[in-house]
Amino acid sequence: NAGVTQTPKFQVLKTGQSMTLQCAQDMNHEYMSWYRQDPGMGLRLIHYSVGAGITDQGEVPNGYNVSRSTTEDFPLRLLSAAPSQTSVYFCASSTRTDFVSRTQYFGPGTRLLVL
Amino acid sequence: GENVEQHPSTLSVQEGDSAVIKCTYSDSASNYFPWYKQELGKRPQLIIDIRSNVGEKKDQRIAVTLNKTAKHFSLHITETQPEDSAVYFCAATPGTASKLTFGTGTRLQVTL
Repeated sequence: NAGVTQTPKFQVLKTGQSMTLQCAQDMNHEYMSWYRQDPGMGLRLIHYSVGAGITDQGEVPNGYNVSRSTTEDFPLRLLSAAPSQTSVYFCASSTRTDFVSRTQYFGPGTRLLVL
Repeated sequence: GENVEQHPSTLSVQEGDSAVIKCTYSDSASNYFPWYKQELGKRPQLIIDIRSNVGEKKDQRIAVTLNKTAKHFSLHITETQPEDSAVYFCAATPGTASKLTFGTGTRLQVTL
């Protein structure tokens, strides 16, 4: 199993550009999430999904869109990039059962720089 | 929503000493508390977790304690080694692991 994969690893954007960060998992996990990590602020939840066709907002959803058309994929779209969106983005997935560890598996991250 | 505070932000210990990192949470409905370790340039990885029906959990040199009444939980690392140097994050959720609220992290440095 590849686990959670993310592409690209690094991206530079100009202000106002749009792009999609890709995330895929091959563990058949129902739950997937997007976090951003900024220095001194830990990881903050952007959007999450509890299954195909179901998404919801996290703590910092403004400027981002998500969709979940399949169990495997959970892309994050930046509509109009701003310098404040410069960050490291992590995708994560986990299983939904309450009877086993709710371990959340993280992808390797995408480092985004908005100029 | 949930709010998690983590202290200290940096911690330096000598090899072989113990390290303790503390977190407090605000939502009394939170019932799952994982700890993640993140090495420089790497992804966060789960090292230990605890549920609200358990007061303490150990895994070799790592232990986590939970005080539901005071709404705080702590990570204890004994006999620290240089490879323990990393940033540690606590987290909490009242529901699924897909909606974790993280603390701001503790940078642990283990010196020789």
